[in-house]
Order: sequence, then structure tokens, then C-alpha cells
Amino acid sequence: AQSVTQPDIHITVSEGASLELRCNYSYGATPYLFWYVQSPGQGLQLLLKYFSGDTLVQGIKGFEAEFKRSQSSFNLRKPSVHWSDAAEYFCAVGPNQAGTALIFGKGTTLSVSS
Amino acid sequence: DTGVSQDPRHKITKRGQNVTFRCDPISEHNRLYWYRQTLGQGPEFLTYFQNEAQLEKSRLLSDRFSAERPKGSFSTLEIQRTEQGDSAMYLCASSPGGQRNTIYFGEGSWLTVV
Repeated sequence: AQSVTQPDIHITVSEGASLELRCNYSYGATPYLFWYVQSPGQGLQLLLKYFSGDTLVQGIKGFEAEFKRSQSSFNLRKPSVHWSDAAEYFCAVGPNQAGTALIFGKGTTLSVSS
Repeated sequence: DTGVSQDPRHKITKRGQNVTFRCDPISEHNRLYWYRQTLGQGPEFLTYFQNEAQLEKSRLLSDRFSAERPKGSFSTLEIQRTEQGDSAMYLCASSPGGQRNTIYFGEGSWLTVV
């Protein structure tokens, strides 16, 4: 079955420190992969996406992610975290079996300490 | 702003009442999606439209839920005889379709059933 696992429910990082959020997926073919960010009470904003090609993709706000097929992973990274990065982060894979929607993980909440 | 627009942003209703949410997708996006998100969870797919045709419905979409997209533009999601378990954020999203389909989300509509 298609699924996404985000192993870390909550992560706290010091401001200025590096960040890595983990995402593992189960998918029968070559997946399309996405990271979204959600601030409290808000909708989801697309950070970055992977369809094919270079396995290291750059996104907005200084984020990047690396697709590793052998590990079925698509981890999100940022070299230096800012307090404004505190939010919930969702990894998603698609399309679903009907070829339409995305399947989301349960999310990782990022807290940034000063 | 030409993003996905949802209305109302917040709705409090009594159990048993009907509620309707509206979504205006990004102009010229022919695909429209509804997702539901409860606290501590990732978004869960509800239904999908290609233009005015509703092409996919998940098992989460009980018979009390109905979605429409007349003329392939805006969409409505109606919940009849609301139950406390319907309390959630209802997210609308749209996409242009095509092989590399990127989905863009609105700000969401919060429903609280009391």
C-alpha cells in the first residue's frame, strides 16, 4: 500500500543550527515527492517537489531535500534554522492509486529555541 | 492574491445542522481537491474533480457529505446532519493537471461541531 512515514513527531532545534526532517515512503513505482509547511491555523504551503532528475532539489526559504531511492527516503534539510521556521512540516507522495491525489504523512512539528 | 480561496474560514455549528464550504481554485486550474485534517494528523483525501466531473471519492466521504463543482469553477462541500466527529479543518486545493502535477492548497475552513 502507498504510505508516508514521518518518524519524528516533534523536533526542537536551536536557532542557527542545522535541521533534517525525515520522510520515508512506500510506493510501487517512481514517486512524485513533496514537502509542505503549515503554520498554526493556516493552510499548506509548498516548500519543494521532486519529479525526476537531480535527486537534490532546492525549495523556498532555504530548504532542500534529497531523494534516495535505495532508502525510500526524501529528507528535508536546512543548514541554518530561523525562529520563523517553527511550524508543522508534511511530506507527501503521489499520485495515489487513482492517479490523482497526494498521500500525506502525519507531520513533524518543528520548534526553534533561542 | 490569485491563490486558492476558501470561505468561511471558521464555522461553529450545532450537532445536526448542515454546513457548506466554498472553494475558489486558482484560475484555470482544472483539478480541484478536498482534504480533511484533524489535529495531529496529516491531510486526508476526500474527493477530486476534473473540471465539473467528480472522478474520485474516498471512503472517508460518507453519504452525509456531498461536493459539487458546477461549471468546473468553484466548488462546494456540504456536510449534512453534522456530528462532533466532523470537527476538522477542510482544505481545498487545486492543480493544473498534467504529468508533473503540483497541488496548491488554500487556507482551510475550520469546522467546530458543538
